[in-house]
Amino acid sequence: QKEVEQNSGPLSVPEGAIASLNCTYSDRGSQSFFWYRQYSGKSPELIMSIYSNGDKEDGRFTAQLNKASQYVSLLIRDSQPSDSATYLCAVKLGGGADGLTFGKGTHLIIQP
Amino acid sequence: DADVTQTPRNRITKTGKRIMLECSQTKGHDRMYWYRQDPGLGLRLIYYSFDVKDINKGEISDGYSVSRQAQAKFSLSLESAIPNQTALYFCATSDLGTGSEELFFGEGSRLTVL
Repeated sequence: QKEVEQNSGPLSVPEGAIASLNCTYSDRGSQSFFWYRQYSGKSPELIMSIYSNGDKEDGRFTAQLNKASQYVSLLIRDSQPSDSATYLCAVKLGGGADGLTFGKGTHLIIQP
Repeated sequence: DADVTQTPRNRITKTGKRIMLECSQTKGHDRMYWYRQDPGLGLRLIYYSFDVKDINKGEISDGYSVSRQAQAKFSLSLESAIPNQTALYFCATSDLGTGSEELFFGEGSRLTVL
């Protein structure tokens, strides 16, 4: 079973600090990686996508990918209470798989 | 207006009833998907379609069927609903033309089977 693993949390971070969210995946042939944010009862919305090893920055968000370690992370700098949500890691698996495979999500709480 | 629209947004039904969830999109995307989300289990793929003549089973297709009536419409049916199909259902689309697998989600349909 090809899997995407995340710590379910909750992860509690003080306002203004850096929140670090982690995701591991089992399929070494995985090609594309996404972070979605989901507020309770709402639909997931894309935060970041990353396709090659290294860091990708967009505003307060940085995605990091290490294919050798099969590890992708999301850093949120200067965390705000509005960042409190569940963060879903999604992976396009290799081997011709279709669609994205999602982790179970990490619940992030930013403490004012 | 939402680019990916799901109806109904909420439905309560009884065991054994037939239910259809509908999805329509104005994004012009070829690919459409149905996912379900359960607490603690994340999003799981039920069915997907790459065009009107293409239907594919996902991870958890048992108990479900789909119809791609047009490029913009993709419906999910539960022929005989059971309580463990109580979940939040999401329709999603992606654009074959960009080569990206990014999914765009509808607002979700919350289904309760009593």
